[in-house]
Amino acid sequence: DQQVKQNSPSLSVQEGRISILNCDYTNSMFDYFLWYKKYPAEGPTFLISISSIKDKNEDGRFTVFLNKSAKHLSLHIVPSQPGDSAVYFCAASPPNSGGYQKVTFGIGTKLQVIP
Amino acid sequence: ETGVTQSPTHLIKTRGQQVTLRCSSQSGHNTVSWYQQALGQGPQFIFQYYREEENGRGNFPPRFSGLQFPNYSSELNVNALELDDSALYLCASSLWLNEQYFGPGTRLTVT
Repeated sequence: DQQVKQNSPSLSVQEGRISILNCDYTNSMFDYFLWYKKYPAEGPTFLISISSIKDKNEDGRFTVFLNKSAKHLSLHIVPSQPGDSAVYFCAASPPNSGGYQKVTFGIGTKLQVIP
Repeated sequence: ETGVTQSPTHLIKTRGQQVTLRCSSQSGHNTVSWYQQALGQGPQFIFQYYREEENGRGNFPPRFSGLQFPNYSSELNVNALELDDSALYLCASSLWLNEQYFGPGTRLTVT
């Protein structure tokens, strides 16, 4: 049972445009949501997170939006750069885990930013 | 400051055998988590160790076991290997509940 779902396996975007990566979850107990970025032959790297008490968190070119009623979150990258090309994992963590631990991952979306 | 390292990088085992994977935590970290990433899937949480004690386990059978040493390095042991155990095994270290830092993983192939 996939508790964190990323329904788009891949996404191609022109350099300079906005990339929007989507994620849905089914477990309403999740209270912290994270996005990780993964390059080939490397482990996932934490990118940005959002607590369930917020609906938006911004860090430079990266913004995560959370819609709790729809159990949906999205990652916006503006402007997209070729170096952003990677696999992006949406993830969620349970209560009392500090937000970063015992994380449930989606299957990932491969983003390609075309120069 | 060295990051999280894992060894070996790749290995091939036969069904029924046992395997040990190793992870060195990032300096100053006292918590290690292990994840299994099957092909085309996201990483799945196996278990976590904090100060040498298991501190949470995902939906994996008992033949998956682990250890954490006083220097906070860790081992993942898998007994009675099955073909479905073929995956990338990721180790992540953190300072207790803070951000996790992942190693590059060990690619295990079971034939």
